[in-house]
Formats: sequence, C-alpha cells, structure tokens
Amino acid sequence: DIQMTQSPSSLSASIGDRVTITCRASQTINNYLNWYQQEPGKAPKLLISSSSNLQSGVPSRFSGSGSGTDFTLTISSLQPEDFATYYCQQSYYTLPLTFGGGTKVEIK
Amino acid sequence: QVQLVQSGAEVKKPGASVKVSCKSSGYSFISYDINWVRQATGQGLEWVGWMNPNSGYTGSAQKFQGSVAFTMDTSISTAYMELSSLTSDDTAVYYCARVVSVGPTRFFDYWGQGTPVTVSS
Repeated sequence: DIQMTQSPSSLSASIGDRVTITCRASQTINNYLNWYQQEPGKAPKLLISSSSNLQSGVPSRFSGSGSGTDFTLTISSLQPEDFATYYCQQSYYTLPLTFGGGTKVEIK
Repeated sequence: QVQLVQSGAEVKKPGASVKVSCKSSGYSFISYDINWVRQATGQGLEWVGWMNPNSGYTGSAQKFQGSVAFTMDTSISTAYMELSSLTSDDTAVYYCARVVSVGPTRFFDYWGQGTPVTVSS
C-alpha cells in the first residue's frame, strides 16, 4: 500500500497568514493527489484534484502543487472559515486508496 | 443537485452486523462508483471499499475482506454497506462518497452526511 505522510499534524496561524501543508507519498504517484477540507462534525469537502486543479466554488486563495512524491497545499491568506482539518488522498492506479493523517489548522 | 443521503445512527453489540444505506439523487446512479470511507472519533479517514453500480463489481481494503459486503438497488439508486462481526474497533462514522474517475485518477466529489456506528456491549 502507498503510505501518505502529512506534515505538520497541526498548526496555529492567524487570520491573513500564509499556510503551507505538505504531503509525501511512499512511492511516486505522478500527480494523482487530491486535497480535502473537513470541518468538525461534517463530511470532507473536495478542494483540489490531480495535485493542482481547484474545484469549482473553492476560493482562489487555495492552491496545490507537486508531482512524484512531494505535494503542497497552500492557503495564501487564511480566513476564519479555513480553520479545519485538511487531508491528502492518493489514487495511483492500484487500490487501496489512501489518505494522509490530516493537518488541523487552528486559530493562534 | 447531487445528493447522497445516508441512513441514521446505529448502536450494535459486539459480534452483530450493521447495514448502512446511501441513497443517491441528482445524477445517473449507474454512472459513478460509490466508495465507503470511515472515521473513528478524533482520527483520520480510512478507505473501506468500492462498488460499481453499473457492473455490480465491488472490492474492499484487505483488512475488511471477509467482514464487509457491498450491495446496491439500482431501482432506487441506493447503495448499501454491511459490516459483520463488529468489534469496538469498528465504532466510527461511515461515509459514502461518489467517485469521479478521470483516467487513473480518482477523487470523491460528493459525500453523504455520515452514519455513526457505535459498537458497545
């Protein structure tokens, strides 16, 4: 199975801060990497597919990059509604699909 | 609009089985795979398995093989996940999610609201 490692597991930031979350795969996954946001008590929401494709309706302050084994999710200017947990997920050819452990973004 | 609506919370005793439903609307049910993902309290997301409503094919993560079964009723656009031989480790929120497949990439674009399953004696 492909292991996905996110870092940090949590972070504290202020409104307006630039935030970067990283996700590393245990083997190359090309760009088959997706990002989700999960607010407490809610289902995850798809933010970005295929490493950098911003989903319709997702604010442009979110961006994704990377290929191979190393990926990043960046929030350019953190807003109050962005405080949540973020997960990466790989879908490289064979099952199982796997998720990173999550990064909780908290208010400083 | 696309919606996936799951059945309500369940409380089961160890060794029992639970069946969770996921009713889809707003799109052609047979055109997209449905996957199941679970989340224990305070923990991350864990992929359980998949089902193709068009072919009827299903599959699961290795740890669930033999204990999970996926079925579907295309006449009512509903997918089901049944988990048997429950233990306390199966206590979690179970989500169904629609999968978009573009070549080899797969992502979950719509999710159900989640079904909490509690296993307790």
